[in-house]
Amino acid sequence: GQNIDQPTEMTATEGAIVQINCTYQTSGFNGLFWYQQHAGEAPTFLSYNVLDGLEEKGRFSSFLSRSKGYSYLLLKELQMKDSASYLCAVRDGNYQLIWGAGTKLIIKP
Amino acid sequence: IAGITQAPTSQILAAGRRMTLRCTQDMRHNAMYWYRQDLGLGLRLIHYSNTAGTTGKGEVPDGYSVSRANTDDFPLTLASAVPSQTSVYFCASSDSTGGDNEQFFGPGTRLTVL
Repeated sequence: GQNIDQPTEMTATEGAIVQINCTYQTSGFNGLFWYQQHAGEAPTFLSYNVLDGLEEKGRFSSFLSRSKGYSYLLLKELQMKDSASYLCAVRDGNYQLIWGAGTKLIIKP
Repeated sequence: IAGITQAPTSQILAAGRRMTLRCTQDMRHNAMYWYRQDLGLGLRLIHYSNTAGTTGKGEVPDGYSVSRANTDDFPLTLASAVPSQTSVYFCASSDSTGGDNEQFFGPGTRLTVL
């Protein structure tokens, strides 16, 4: 079967750095996405990785290791508005997105 | 404003009733998707359409049907609603199914089946 694993919940302090991990086992791989979802709202796109390495976009970075089936999302200079769920999704061999259950990130002052 | 809309925002439905959730996008995207999101579970794909006139089954298609008569609209129908279909339903679209094409999501429909 196909599986995406992420921690259920994480807590961090405003101004700090947090790393959210995602491990996956899928039938084929055609890219990995990270989305942000605030409570009661729709998911919104954050990043896309298809090759190994780090993609940086402002305060957010995403890393991929295809050989390890592993990705992480790094959030720097945390702000209260970063309190949200972060969803990891892998596009499988059939070009369908397989979604993790999401990591709820709580930011404390 | 370009985007994707869903209707209704929320609905309470008696079991056994028929219900159609509406989804419209104005981005001229080729691909559209219907997901359900339940607490503790990831988004699960119900049905998808890679282009107008075609549809396909996702991970959890039973009890649901879709149609794609044109590029913009992708309605989801529950023929006879059951309580296990209580969920938040998201419609999404993307320019294509490959590359770095992200999926854009509608605001969701919160459905309660009693």
